[in-house]
Amino acid sequence: NAGVTQTPKFQVLKTGQSMTLQCAQDMNHEYMSWYRQDPGMGLRLIHYSVGAGITDQGEVPNGYNVSRSTTEDFPLRLLSAAPSQTSVYFCATKSLAGVYEQYFGPGTRLTVT
Amino acid sequence: GQQVMQIPQYQHVQEGEDFTTYCNSSTTLSNIQWYKQRPGGHPVFLIQLVKSGEVKKQKRLTFQFGEAKKNSSLHITATQTTDVGTYFCAAGSEGTGTASKLTFGTGTRLQVTL
Repeated sequence: NAGVTQTPKFQVLKTGQSMTLQCAQDMNHEYMSWYRQDPGMGLRLIHYSVGAGITDQGEVPNGYNVSRSTTEDFPLRLLSAAPSQTSVYFCATKSLAGVYEQYFGPGTRLTVT
Repeated sequence: GQQVMQIPQYQHVQEGEDFTTYCNSSTTLSNIQWYKQRPGGHPVFLIQLVKSGEVKKQKRLTFQFGEAKKNSSLHITATQTTDVGTYFCAAGSEGTGTASKLTFGTGTRLQVTL
């Protein structure tokens, strides 16, 4: 079991470029989410999904798009990168039954210049 | 939206000293979770508290949920260098059901020296 995987691990973009951060899980969890982590600000929820075909906005959704076509994958798209999007991005999943423990991926460190 | 305040932001202790971090919300919470993130790593789930006044222990770690379900604490007895990292609380709002979004606190970074 790989758990939650994220690619790439590191990425440098120029302002205005677009890219997709990938997140995949093999735990058959219904719930998947994206967070960004900035120094002194904890983890802030960007978007989340409770199942294939269903997505919703979190606390800081502007500048990001998501889709959920399968249970396993939940990509995060940056349409036009800005320096303010420089951050560490974590994907997290959880089952909607039981303790609701969230499992985090290893993260993607993104720098926008 | 919901805000969760966590204090202190940073604490430096000598190995063997105790450590406590506090999490406070202005609204009633349905549950609270605690996570630990080692330097350069990702958050790892420690525990979930659901009941008013609940206390749970994991070896040297003691977790409490306030009677009013608006605050929580994590206490580490006799810290070790392996406790180094950032500790986050994550709060679920009352009434939002099993898929409730979690609001993370800003975290407390713990440094332990010999």
